[in-house]
Amino acid sequence: GQSLEQPSEVTAVEGAIVQINCTYQTSGFYGLSWYQQHDGGAPTFLSYNGLDGLEETGRFSSFLSRSDSYGYLLIQELQMKDSASYFCAVRDGTASKLTFGTGTRLQVTL
Amino acid sequence: DAGVIQSPRHEVTEMGQEVTLRCKPISGHNSLFWYRQTMMRGLELLIYFNNNVPIDDSGMPEDRFSAKMPNASFSTLKIQPSEPRDSAVYFCASSLRTSGKETQYFGPGTRLLVL
Repeated sequence: GQSLEQPSEVTAVEGAIVQINCTYQTSGFYGLSWYQQHDGGAPTFLSYNGLDGLEETGRFSSFLSRSDSYGYLLIQELQMKDSASYFCAVRDGTASKLTFGTGTRLQVTL
Repeated sequence: DAGVIQSPRHEVTEMGQEVTLRCKPISGHNSLFWYRQTMMRGLELLIYFNNNVPIDDSGMPEDRFSAKMPNASFSTLKIQPSEPRDSAVYFCASSLRTSGKETQYFGPGTRLLVL
């Protein structure tokens, strides 16, 4: 089976940098994804790591270490609109299905 | 592209009634997923289809839940009979299955309240 752990809440100041960690235990691994969900909205894709290292997309970066079963999402130059829940998800290598973590609620303050 | 379309967006029903949720995936996508989201249990995968064939329904809570995908552009999730504990947001998502990165695109969700 799959299990993922993320902090339940993180608070950060506008303009700062925040890191959201994710550790996972899986029977098979085919990549770590990150999704963002605003209150009342649907999850939307942010980033994917299939190999070790850093992937950057604008203010959002994601890192993966397969040997440590660990990844993180980094958000730079935080904006108020970044207040949302962030989910890490692992893909089972044998299929398309994703298992999602419990989510981290990010609150950006002034 | 219109994205994943779900209907209805909101549904309020009474315990014991049948509920049918509908989903139109993004054209060209070959995988479709039904999720349920609650505060207590988070985002749970109920069932997913690949090329219209159910691949994994291990997340379907019980026999009251059923899902079909009669063609590549339509899927339904049915709850019969509904119970108050089924109250949740139900999301449909679709993706194009590849050997590498595979992004799931979520619909807006159906907010179900069973009284």
